[in-house]
Amino acid sequence: GAVVSQHPSWVICKSGTSVKIECRSLDFQATTMFWYRQFPKQSLMLMATSNEGSKATYEQGVEKDKFLINHASLTLSTLTVTSAHPEDSSFYICSALGTGLNEQYFGPGTRLTVT
Amino acid sequence: DAKTTQPPSMDCAEGRAANLPCNHSTISGNEYVYWYRQIHSQGPQYIIHGLKNNETNEMASLIITEDRKSSTLILPHATLRDTAVYYCIVRAWANAGKSTFGDGTTLTVKP
Repeated sequence: GAVVSQHPSWVICKSGTSVKIECRSLDFQATTMFWYRQFPKQSLMLMATSNEGSKATYEQGVEKDKFLINHASLTLSTLTVTSAHPEDSSFYICSALGTGLNEQYFGPGTRLTVT
Repeated sequence: DAKTTQPPSMDCAEGRAANLPCNHSTISGNEYVYWYRQIHSQGPQYIIHGLKNNETNEMASLIITEDRKSSTLILPHATLRDTAVYYCIVRAWANAGKSTFGDGTTLTVKP
């Protein structure tokens, strides 16, 4: 099946710094990628949808200037958490939708801890 | 996408069948039923999906009622590794990828 990877798998950063998370589709081209956030004991919440070569579409309540998304190629999307604060600590998960495919494949997630 | 209702938690004995129900009474004619699971601290894993016919794959079976207002995911021989949160999602084919996750059912398989 299609494989999606994320890097890093976990990261600890200091408050005020920025963190970049990568999401890659390893064996297929992903025209669309999705970014989710999951707080402890809660369900996944969709943050944004990114299409290759165009600006991301953010869900209501998600600050686009804080969560920068770049989908520069058909196999890579990045999420940058800018000026991170402790409340941004969460589990960030990406998923990818392949060209010609009608199923989303999820990455393993990235655990962000902001101290 | 239609709203789904699942029990918050269920237990199952190892080796027995796990039957996870999902209600989706407002499902539309063009909406599919998808099941995913999330093992602790991992990304969700696709299990199975269906429109109106029952479906089976190597992981599970999906039984959809004739009126399509509810469905049941069946894990025929549950193992300890099947302990996870199971999500039932209803969405149109055209909305592929934009799944809305509810609270799911926490399945605990016990030895």
